[in-house]
Amino acid sequence: NAGVTQTPKFQVLKTGQSMTLQCAQDMNHEYMSWYRQDPGMGLRLIHYSVGAGITDQGEVPNGYNVSRSTTEDFPLRLLSAAPSQTSVYFCASSPGTGVYEQYFGPGTRLTVT
Amino acid sequence: EDKVVQSPLSLVVHEGDTVTLNCSYEVTNFRSLLWYKQEKKAPTFLFMLTSSGIEKKSGRLSSILDKKELSSILNITATQTGDSAIYLCAVVLSGGGADGLTFGKGTHLIIQP
Repeated sequence: NAGVTQTPKFQVLKTGQSMTLQCAQDMNHEYMSWYRQDPGMGLRLIHYSVGAGITDQGEVPNGYNVSRSTTEDFPLRLLSAAPSQTSVYFCASSPGTGVYEQYFGPGTRLTVT
Repeated sequence: EDKVVQSPLSLVVHEGDTVTLNCSYEVTNFRSLLWYKQEKKAPTFLFMLTSSGIEKKSGRLSSILDKKELSSILNITATQTGDSAIYLCAVVLSGGGADGLTFGKGTHLIIQP
């Protein structure tokens, strides 16, 4: 099993550009989520999904969209990048909402200039 | 507003020392508390604690939850340089994790040889 994979590992965007961060898991997990990590702020939840076709907002959803068309994939879209979105982004998954250990991907370091 | 506070935010000790990291929480509908270790990449799971108060151990690491004090401690004995990392505490609410984890800001632990 590859576990949770994320691409790209690094990305530099200019203000106003859009892009999609990819996340995939091969563990047949129902629950997937996106976090951002900023210095001194810990990890904050952006969006999450409890299964294919179901998504919901977390603590800091503004400026981001998600979709969950398959169990395996949970892409995060930045609609119009802003410098405030410079961060490290982690995708995580777990077998379901009744199981709480989340498995994290390796992260994507995004810089918006 | 749900809150998870970790202390200290940073700690520098010498190899062989014992350290105690703290995590306190003010949340509604507490379900469980998780500890993660984060080196230069994704957080990796250490322990899950519930209100049962049962201590969890793994090698030189141990952790316990005090449900009266709404807090948890993570102990590391005989520290090694490989223990240097950010230690994250996260709380799961009784929604079953459907709304993700609420993280503290982390304790940055540095072990000097």
